[in-house]
This record gives sequence, C-alpha cells and structure tokens, in this order.
Amino acid sequence: AQSVTQLDSQVPVFEEAPVELRCNYSSSVSVYLFWYVQYPNQGLQLLLKYLSGSTLVKGINGFEAEINKSQTSFHLRKPSVHISDTAEYFCAVSRYSSASKIIFGSGTRLSIRP
Amino acid sequence: DTGVSQDPRHKITKRGQNVTFRCDPISEHNRLYWYRQTLGQGPEFLTYFQNEAQLEKSRLLSDRFSAERPKGSFSTLEIQRTEQGDSAMYLCASSLAGLADKETQYFGPGTRLLVL
Repeated sequence: AQSVTQLDSQVPVFEEAPVELRCNYSSSVSVYLFWYVQYPNQGLQLLLKYLSGSTLVKGINGFEAEINKSQTSFHLRKPSVHISDTAEYFCAVSRYSSASKIIFGSGTRLSIRP
Repeated sequence: DTGVSQDPRHKITKRGQNVTFRCDPISEHNRLYWYRQTLGQGPEFLTYFQNEAQLEKSRLLSDRFSAERPKGSFSTLEIQRTEQGDSAMYLCASSLAGLADKETQYFGPGTRLLVL
C-alpha cells in the first residue's frame, strides 16, 4: 500500500525567503507523485507532478520538487515566496499502474510573514 | 472550460436527515472521483467512476453512503441518516483516462457539510 508523510504541519517563513516543504512516501510499486495547493475556501489545484524521467520537476507559480528514490522523498521548494503563496500544501501519491485514486498527506500550512 | 462544479457549496442538516450532493465534471472527462476532507487532514478517497461504472469504493464508504453516475456525466453522493461524524468537506474531481500525463485529477470547490 502507498502512504505519504508530510513532516511539518506548519511552516512560517518571511516574504521573499526560500522555503522547502518536506514529504516522504512509501510504496512497494512504482508511483506517481504530486503536490497540490489549497487556498482558503477553495478546492485543490495541482502544482506539479512526477510521472517518470528527470528527478527535478517544475510546476506552476515558481515551485519545483525533486524526487529522491533512495530516500523516498519528494520535497517541494520555492526560492522566494510571496504573500499570495499562503495556503495549505498537500503531497500525494498514486499507483503507477492505474492512477485510480490519490493518497494524500495530512498537509502543510505555509504562512508568509511580511 | 468551466471546470468541475459542485452543488451545494454548503449544507447544514440535522442528525438523521438525508443529504445529496451533486458534481458536474469537466465535460470530456470520463473519470469522476469523490473524496472527503475533515478539518486539518488531507482528502481521503471515497469512490470513483469510469463512465457509468463505479470501479472502486473505499472502506470509508459505509452502507449509509451511495454514489451514482447514471449517464456517465454528473454524479450524486447521498448520505442517509447523517451523523455528526459525517461533517466534512466533500470534494469531487474528474480526469480523462488514457495516457498517464493526461490523467491529472481536477478538483471542484467542494461541498462543506455540517451535521448538527
């Protein structure tokens, strides 16, 4: 079975500072990996996804993530955050063979201080 | 492209009542998913359809829950005899089955249910 662990429930950072949101995954089979963002009172929006190939994945809004298969990690990074990045971020995994359902982590709340 | 829509956006009901939620997927998408998200947690998978067929159901989906997608377009999720533990955000998503890079799930804004 697949599972996802987000290591930080809250991450406060100052505006224009870099940020890293940590995510570890476990699976006995090959998987797809995702980062979704949820702004207050809104649904989930896909930031980026890893299917195969390059270990570095670039997404929207300046975010990127790198998969490390030896450490089973998929951390999300942004070199300089903006107030508008304040949101809940979810790391997620689905099975390689079907992508029938997504298993989400418990989320990391990113708060940006001016 | 109008995206995934859900109705209603908010629902308050009394314990024991039945409620029904509707999801309209992106028009050409043949897969439709339901998730439940409780406060402070990530979404949890409930069930999904490919066209009219319900292909997978989570053990979270008790006998009081039923989902349908009669014509392969919109879907309804019904909860019978609601309990306070059913209070949550119910999210719908849709995708186009096929090549992996096309199978992104697009989420609707959710229906927030409060059971008093």
